[in-house]
Amino acid sequence: QSVLTQPPSVSAAPGQKVTISCSGSSSNIGNKYVSWYQQVPGTAPKLLIYDNDKRPSGIPDRFSGSKSGTSATLGITGLQTGDEADYYCGTWDSSLSAGFYVFGTGTKVTVL
Amino acid sequence: QLQLQESGPGLVKPSETLSLTCTVSGDSISSSNYYWGWIRQPPGKGLEWIGSIYYSETTRYSPSLKSRVSISVDTSKNQLSLKLSSVTAADTAVYFCARCPVGEFDYWGQGSLVTVSS
Repeated sequence: QSVLTQPPSVSAAPGQKVTISCSGSSSNIGNKYVSWYQQVPGTAPKLLIYDNDKRPSGIPDRFSGSKSGTSATLGITGLQTGDEADYYCGTWDSSLSAGFYVFGTGTKVTVL
Repeated sequence: QLQLQESGPGLVKPSETLSLTCTVSGDSISSSNYYWGWIRQPPGKGLEWIGSIYYSETTRYSPSLKSRVSISVDTSKNQLSLKLSSVTAADTAVYFCARCPVGEFDYWGQGSLVTVSS
């Protein structure tokens, strides 16, 4: 069971904006960098955001990330049909003596 | 261009050991300052981190899998390996290998489906 909670699904019309929340705790999001991944079914996840708000080369600025306290948020503006996918947050957790990585529960984005 | 490719049996019997290999090209596992890890995804479910290895020695494992998992590196072949013992149907999943610079997995393999069944 994941320690990072995301809404199961979000939806919006093309051109609109969606936000996806990722709720954690002081042992993970509260003290670690958060990353976000996009996964089209049947393919490998793709890194969208790292270090809370940085975009790798090639990721459009329609995708943005932010963090406040023990929660993080992914924003997608100018929604496109190609954005339909599952999205996951991820970060390290230090609640045990040996750190471990955790992924969020995942959010399915539907473009109406 | 960094590339990762998983390989191994697609079918494993219950109670046996699952073994997968990840061949890395475009970077050296032993010399690079990165973690290299394994992640899995059961059919229709979310991502689950299995474990990671750093500088071919330091390993970190998922608390829920720690008693059954082993990750190692073959520097001569630039390969990452995964062994998961005493598998059950719950271990049926697509297994991915990936590179982890700091707090993110930036390069992923395409994934390898492993089914546990007799």
